[in-house]
Amino acid sequence: DAKTTQPNSMESNEEEPVHLPCNHSTISGTDYIHWYRQLPSQGPEYVIHGLTSNVNNRMASLAIAEDRKSSTLILHRATLRDAAVYYCILRDEDGKLIFGQGTELSVKP
Amino acid sequence: KAGVTQTPRYLIKTRGQQVTLSCSPISGHRSVSWYQQTPGQGLQFLFEYFSETQRNKGNFPGRFSGRQFSNSRSEMNVSTLELGDSALYLCASSLGGNRFEKLFFGSGTQLSVL
Repeated sequence: DAKTTQPNSMESNEEEPVHLPCNHSTISGTDYIHWYRQLPSQGPEYVIHGLTSNVNNRMASLAIAEDRKSSTLILHRATLRDAAVYYCILRDEDGKLIFGQGTELSVKP
Repeated sequence: KAGVTQTPRYLIKTRGQQVTLSCSPISGHRSVSWYQQTPGQGLQFLFEYFSETQRNKGNFPGRFSGRQFSNSRSEMNVSTLELGDSALYLCASSLGGNRFEKLFFGSGTQLSVL
């Protein structure tokens, strides 16, 4: 199964942009890059996903490297409610999600 | 539109017992997948069902099983419970389980084995 590597934790200040990196050097050509986040005592929540091109939605942006071996989730203005564990996941042709340890993001007021 | 519903929310069992957890997907979703979350191992994939058939399975012993009904509702069963089965069990649903679809997760069932 394809794997991802993320920093264990990151800190941000409220209302500042946050860039969460993810390495996935073993990605195959058809794997989709998904990001989910998990707030305390809740199930994971979908954030964004993409294949090759950069993607934007109301929650975040996803920047994908040209060789697809890494990607960055961008939160444009962090709020206290963005404090969560963020998971970068490769979803292969089987469709299943293989979670790594994720990045715990803390946001300081 | 109602989200993914998991019942019960909390469960306490003793070693050796068996347990059944339920998951109702979002209306129209035909794929349901199950995950175990523990502090030590993180989130681990258990299995996925699509149209009443198990399509994928993770690396869990045979004590963990599941099924899906014709209305896409799914149940998972754990027999002969062990202390290490204490975990948050999450289910997720999607339209077809394809790699380009997003998953919607329930809030989970917190299982404690004493």
